[in-house]
Amino acid sequence: GAVVSQHPSWVICKSGTSVKIECRSLDFQATTMFWYRQFPKQSLMLMATSNEGSKATYEQGVEKDKFLINHASLTLSTLTVTSAHPEDSSFYICSASQGGFSTDTQYFGPGTRLTVL
Amino acid sequence: QKEVEQNSGPLSVPEGAIASLNCTYSDRGSQSFFWYRQYSGKSPELIMSIYSNGDKEDGRFTAQLNKASQYVSLLIRDSQPSDSATYLCAVTWGSQGNLIFGKGTKLSVKP
Repeated sequence: GAVVSQHPSWVICKSGTSVKIECRSLDFQATTMFWYRQFPKQSLMLMATSNEGSKATYEQGVEKDKFLINHASLTLSTLTVTSAHPEDSSFYICSASQGGFSTDTQYFGPGTRLTVL
Repeated sequence: QKEVEQNSGPLSVPEGAIASLNCTYSDRGSQSFFWYRQYSGKSPELIMSIYSNGDKEDGRFTAQLNKASQYVSLLIRDSQPSDSATYLCAVTWGSQGNLIFGKGTKLSVKP
């Protein structure tokens, strides 16, 4: 149980284009979904937290107009990287929790590796 | 600034030995503590969660929590080469359980 999928698993795009990454909870309803970014040899950094049907909460330093997050249903959240640049190249990982409480376990998706040329 | 500190390693142990991984955190209000394992190029995989002081055992893994010292540890008994990975300590803060990750300790188990 508690499986989270991401699509695509990897994507290469040209600078200036937009890329959409999907995160799905396959066997549970995710009240809260989280988006992380991980640069090489660094730890995961939380980008934003989203609750179904409401606007995402972004961490300090993360541009909300550049990283658009939509949590339209209890099983799907999307992250759109708009006008991507080479410095946005990273490993993007989503996670989902059922209850949205601090004691709930987050289950991670397999990640999406984005390369911007 | 909320922080989670881990020794980056690498920690090298022989096969069959006990590996000991340590983590300290800065936010006394943190309620939930997790250990994740991350293989190179993969996303984190949950190993253990612990919420109260003391020890919690699951198979070859034992997590230990000391809230007074703001310290969490993970012991891996009978270490196997397949345990070689980066181990991430994560601590929650906030009402929704936002996770703060340490930078991870790289473990190498030598056959």
